[in-house]
Amino acid sequence: EAQVTQNPRYLITVTGKKLTVTCSQNMNHEYMSWYRQDPGLGLRQIYYSMNVEVTDKGDVPEGYKVSRKEKRNFPLILESPSPNQTSLYFCASSPREGREPQHFGDGTRLSIL
Amino acid sequence: GDSVTQMEGPVTLSEEAFLTINCTYTATGYPSLFWYVQYPGEGLQLLLKATKADDKGSNKGFEATYRKETTSFHLEKGSVQVSDSAVYFCALSGGSQGNLIFGKGTKLSVKP
Repeated sequence: EAQVTQNPRYLITVTGKKLTVTCSQNMNHEYMSWYRQDPGLGLRQIYYSMNVEVTDKGDVPEGYKVSRKEKRNFPLILESPSPNQTSLYFCASSPREGREPQHFGDGTRLSIL
Repeated sequence: GDSVTQMEGPVTLSEEAFLTINCTYTATGYPSLFWYVQYPGEGLQLLLKATKADDKGSNKGFEATYRKETTSFHLEKGSVQVSDSAVYFCALSGGSQGNLIFGKGTKLSVKP
């Protein structure tokens, strides 16, 4: 089954404790992206990757890092999480950038205390 | 920059009522347009898409037509069901970042 898998689905942690949210897709997609969803703001892009070893900032990259060492994986790293990063996060992928629909994971709800 | 504006919710309808959720966009060039649906506790699923002017996307009884002259992509369904209760997002793509630009979402509740 074609899917985007995120882990964990839920996480409660404390300020400053490094965490990683994993994302993996099994569709051999070139393009991957991270979004955060906040009430009243919709979804905003954090980082994206057009292919292996190619990553770039989206609209709200501050406080986040990513890497793309393999085509299927695109982890999101919070080196020193803060309460304003409490949000619902989605990973997405598509065959390539631009006009094609993106496939979304089920989301990761992070709470930073 | 590119942007999407969709009607504020929540929208509450009775089963079998007609649904319209308005969506307008601002974009340079010729973006693709999408409607995504988010059911409670789940990720976003593509509902329908249109890639050029006058295209009509349709799926599960929902329809939307890409109107370049009015820069709109309104979502419609003739007879909603309780199972259609969800949050609906209008989005466009085609920018240099390859990202989707989303509207803020419209929550639909359908009562039996």
